[in-house]
Amino acid sequence: NAGVTQTPKFQVLKTGQSMTLQCAQDMNHNSMYWYRQDPGMGLRLIYYSASEGTTDKGEVPNGYNVSRLNKREFSLRLESAAPSQTSVYFCASPAGGETQYFGPGTRLLVL
Amino acid sequence: GIQVEQSPPDLILQEGANSTLRCNFSDSVNNLQWFHQNPWGQLINLFYIPSGTKQNGRLSATTVATERYSLLYISSSQTTDSGVYFCAVWGNLFFGTGTRLTVIP
Repeated sequence: NAGVTQTPKFQVLKTGQSMTLQCAQDMNHNSMYWYRQDPGMGLRLIYYSASEGTTDKGEVPNGYNVSRLNKREFSLRLESAAPSQTSVYFCASPAGGETQYFGPGTRLLVL
Repeated sequence: GIQVEQSPPDLILQEGANSTLRCNFSDSVNNLQWFHQNPWGQLINLFYIPSGTKQNGRLSATTVATERYSLLYISSSQTTDSGVYFCAVWGNLFFGTGTRLTVIP
């Protein structure tokens, strides 16, 4: 039982390049979330998926798209990366309405 | 969205000391969690505590929902307690900016 896994762990992009961050959970949870964490700040919600086949915007969705591929997987796509998207990205999945389980994070640097 | 404020922003303790971290939130919430982010960036759940008091070893937490605050107590601190402590409230987890704790031997 790996919990929440994310790939890649680290990525460097040039401005304008695209990439997809992958997230998977093996806990059979319905909900999955994507957050970003900027230096010295807490996490901010980008998008979430309450169940397979549904996605909704969070606090900072601009510049991102998501796909809930199946119950296990929730991907985050940057179509045209910008330096302002340099951040650490966390995927998470809650157990019911309680404990939130986080992945290890993806460090993204956009030059 | 809900505003979440944490204090103090930074805290330096001698190993063995006790501390209290505070989280204030701007609106009624049904859920509140405390997390620890270790120096390697990993986020670890500490407590799910929408109200009342819970204890887990040297850590305990109390939430007074009617007064919109929560407290995290760390007793007999150890160097491994260092990192950033976040409180977060539901709907979709609004995070505070955290308290950075450094425990020195």
